[in-house]
Amino acid sequence: ETGVTQSPTHLIKTRGQQVTLRCSSQSGHNTVSWYQQALGQGPQFIFQYYREEENGRGNFPPRFSGLQFPNYSSELNVNALELDDSALYLCASSWASGTGNYGYTFGSGTRLTVV
Amino acid sequence: AQSVTQPDIHITVSEGASLELRCNYSYGATPYLFWYVQSPGQGLQLLLKYFSGDTLVQGIKGFEAEFKRSQSSFNLRKPSVHWSDAAEYFCAVGPRDDKIIFGKGTRLHILP
Repeated sequence: ETGVTQSPTHLIKTRGQQVTLRCSSQSGHNTVSWYQQALGQGPQFIFQYYREEENGRGNFPPRFSGLQFPNYSSELNVNALELDDSALYLCASSWASGTGNYGYTFGSGTRLTVV
Repeated sequence: AQSVTQPDIHITVSEGASLELRCNYSYGATPYLFWYVQSPGQGLQLLLKYFSGDTLVQGIKGFEAEFKRSQSSFNLRKPSVHWSDAAEYFCAVGPRDDKIIFGKGTRLHILP
């Protein structure tokens, strides 16, 4: 059973550029959530994808968008990068059923630096 | 508003000593409560969680936490820490297992 894998592990972008981060969910999981963890802070919920649709969103602007694919993997896209977008981006996958979400598992993250 | 407060940014304890990390939360409904650990350069690992039943919850690596509804607290404890416990610890709250709100974390340092 593979865990949650994220790519790339590190990335440097210039302000104003666009970036795409990728996440492969754990085998058997059907839901992916994305978090932003700024330096010295706890992770903040960006959004969740379930059945290829957004299923809840935190307090992030529309330039943060995502996709989920039929194999349950996911992408996080950030447009018009700002310096404050520099952070560790964490992906978490889980199995969602009618009674809740189970097996919430985090990846090791992508460290994004905006210069 | 929903929030989690971890009042201690850094805590230093000697190896073999006991540990208690504090966590207070604000949540409108009955919450799910969590403690996660993050080692440098790593993702988050779930230590334990509480959503109902016995208010003393046992987790992995010898950790336990006690839910106190009257104090809105969910403190993490370990009777004897090991050097490998040095990491950042996050308390979190949520409506269920996902979409959870994290505190800012407590960095644990271990003295040999």
